Amino acid sequence: AQSVTQLDSQVPVFEEAPVELRCNYSSSVSVYLFWYVQYPNQGLQLLLKYLSGSTLVESINGFEAEFNKSQTSFHLRKPSVHISDTAEYFCAVTPGRRALTFGSGTRLQVQP
Amino acid sequence: NAGVTQTPKFRVLKTGQSMTLLCAQDMNHEYMYWYRQDPGMGLRLIHYSVGEGTTAKGEVPDGYNVSRLKKQNFLLGLESAAPSQTSVYFCASSDHRPSGRFINTGELFFGEGSRLTVL
Repeated sequence: AQSVTQLDSQVPVFEEAPVELRCNYSSSVSVYLFWYVQYPNQGLQLLLKYLSGSTLVESINGFEAEFNKSQTSFHLRKPSVHISDTAEYFCAVTPGRRALTFGSGTRLQVQP
Repeated sequence: NAGVTQTPKFRVLKTGQSMTLLCAQDMNHEYMYWYRQDPGMGLRLIHYSVGEGTTAKGEVPDGYNVSRLKKQNFLLGLESAAPSQTSVYFCASSDHRPSGRFINTGELFFGEGSRLTVL
């Protein structure tokens, strides 16, 4: 079975500062990796995903994540955050033939 | 452009009462899921379905039942509600590969959630 660890439950950061949200996973087989974002009082939305190919993947709103197989990590980064990025971010993993397993989430709090 | 719709959005139950949460999707997706979200625990899979008439247990199925009589609907039932089932419930759906094999590329489409409180 696979598992996902998001070590930081909350990450406070000032507007326009860089941020990194950490995600580590464990699995005995190859996996697909995802980041989902949940804005207040909404469902989750897919932010970006790694299925194969380039290990660096990007979203349309400036986030990027890099798949590191040796470190079993898929950290999410953004060079300059905005107030509107305040949300909860979930890392998720699947070996493909199972439903997604989600991490416990990281609440990003962007302060002016 | 409804996507995934959950009803009801809020409900308060007394211990021992029963209820059903309805999830409807209009994207013709084969796969549907019920997750529960609890503080500090992320989302945990309750049950899922890979097609009409089929269901399977997820990570935390105890105390819940599901049915998928129509492709577009996935019902989650609580036969005898307990305070431990106080949570926010999310339904999601996803597409499938033409081969019919369950290959999950992870593009889940979520509803807005149903907040259930059991007193």
